[in-house]
Amino acid sequence: EAQVTQNPRYLITVTGKKLTVTCSQNMNHEYMSWYRQDPGLGLRQIYYSMNVEVTDKGDVPEGYKVSRKEKRNFPLILESPSPNQTSLYFCASSPNPRSSGGSFTEAFFGQGTRLTVV
Amino acid sequence: GESVGLHLPTLSVQEGDNSIINCAYSNSASDYFIWYKQESGKGPQFIIDIRSNMDKRQGQRVTVLLNKTVKHLSLQIAATQPGDSAVYFCAEYLKAAGNKLTFGGGTRVLVKP
Repeated sequence: EAQVTQNPRYLITVTGKKLTVTCSQNMNHEYMSWYRQDPGLGLRQIYYSMNVEVTDKGDVPEGYKVSRKEKRNFPLILESPSPNQTSLYFCASSPNPRSSGGSFTEAFFGQGTRLTVV
Repeated sequence: GESVGLHLPTLSVQEGDNSIINCAYSNSASDYFIWYKQESGKGPQFIIDIRSNMDKRQGQRVTVLLNKTVKHLSLQIAATQPGDSAVYFCAEYLKAAGNKLTFGGGTRVLVKP
C-alpha cells in the first residue's frame, strides 16, 4: 500500500530535550516536505527536499532541522524544543512534476504527529 | 481524533443539499489551486485541483471555480453526505518552490442528517 508513515503519532516532551520525528514514504517520490498545523492557521511549510541531499527552508524553519540521506526518509529534528513548537506535524511526499509533463503532482500526507512540549 | 482547528469558520449543511466552500488566495503566480479534505485524526487528502489558466473543473460530485480577477476559489459539493463532514482547505501550489503548498485557514463542514 502506498503511504507516508510518521512516527511517533503522539509525543509529549520537555523543553530542551532533543527529539526526532521520522517520516518514510514507499512511493519513490523525489519531493518531501514537513508542515505544522496550528488552529486557524492551516498548514505551514517548515522544510522541503527536492531530492537526496537537497533541502531548503519553508516558511517557518526556525528551531527545526531536517536531513535527506536517502530518498525514502525525511526526518524532522528539534534540537532544543520549546513550548511554541507544540503543534500537529505532517510529512508529505510528491513526485517530481517532470514525471507528469510539468503538471501538478499530488502530495500524499502522513497521519500526523501531535507534539506537546512542556 | 485530532482537533485541527478550534476557531474555524463552520458551514452547516443538510444532508442532500449542495455545499459551497469559499477561499481567497494571495499569490497570482501560483501554478495550481487545490482543495484538500481533512478528517479528524488524519492528514489532508487531495480532492481536486485546477490549473491557474482554467476557471472551472469538475470531478465526482465536486466542482471547483477559480476567479482570478478577485483571487477567489470555491468548492461546490453536490448532494452532501455525512461522509463529507470534515475540514476543507484550499491551497496554492507553486512548482518552482519544491511543489510548495500554501494553505488557507480551513473551513469546517458539518453535515446534518
